[in-house]
Amino acid sequence: GAGVSQTPSNKVTEKGKYVELRCDPISGHTALYWYRQSLGQGPEFLIYFQGTGAADDSGLPNDRFFAVRPEGSVSTLKIQRTERGDSAVYLCASSWDSYSPLHFGNGTRLTVT
Amino acid sequence: TQLLEQSPQFLSIQEGENLTVYCNSSSVFSSLQWYRQEPGEGPVLLVTVVTGGEVKKLKRLTFQFGDARKDSSLHITAAQPGDTGLYLCAVHGANDYKLSFGAGTTVTVRA
Repeated sequence: GAGVSQTPSNKVTEKGKYVELRCDPISGHTALYWYRQSLGQGPEFLIYFQGTGAADDSGLPNDRFFAVRPEGSVSTLKIQRTERGDSAVYLCASSWDSYSPLHFGNGTRLTVT
Repeated sequence: TQLLEQSPQFLSIQEGENLTVYCNSSSVFSSLQWYRQEPGEGPVLLVTVVTGGEVKKLKRLTFQFGDARKDSSLHITAAQPGDTGLYLCAVHGANDYKLSFGAGTTVTVRA
């Protein structure tokens, strides 16, 4: 498909474990975003990439969260030492540039037990 | 304190009825967006309103931006079960790329 693809769609992990969430943006989109959506809430901004660089990571909750986009396409959100409070849907979005509409993926539902 | 307050939080209506959901703030915005999110999917952009007092129509959906550009409403005429979903409003901050979302209104249309 031509949309934003996120894998896995669901991830269950134990408290303290490390997880990686993957995002494949729409081909040609230079801007990539990660958002987190908790139950009953709207998405909250985590990080924004323009090309390969993280232009704004001010939304990352703490230093357990890290994201990369080494070739300016696929991005990986990495969470170390997971906590139960990290349980949420992690959404990825991409756009042609920072002024264009965002296209969201279907998210990865992370559950930390 | 949420930048955008959406009301009501939940709305359940019968097919064929009309409904209105609201998005309010004390801040002024240059533009405001409405999204619909279905279970298990990401939000999908419905419309962007940019001018105070602007009204945009998308089939049975009517979006209005307040004159002072602080609030917006979404009205659905003759709701259908396919209109069921979470309706989110969102605005860009000082940095154009960062969207701030309201908590959303969950709409359920019963057949």
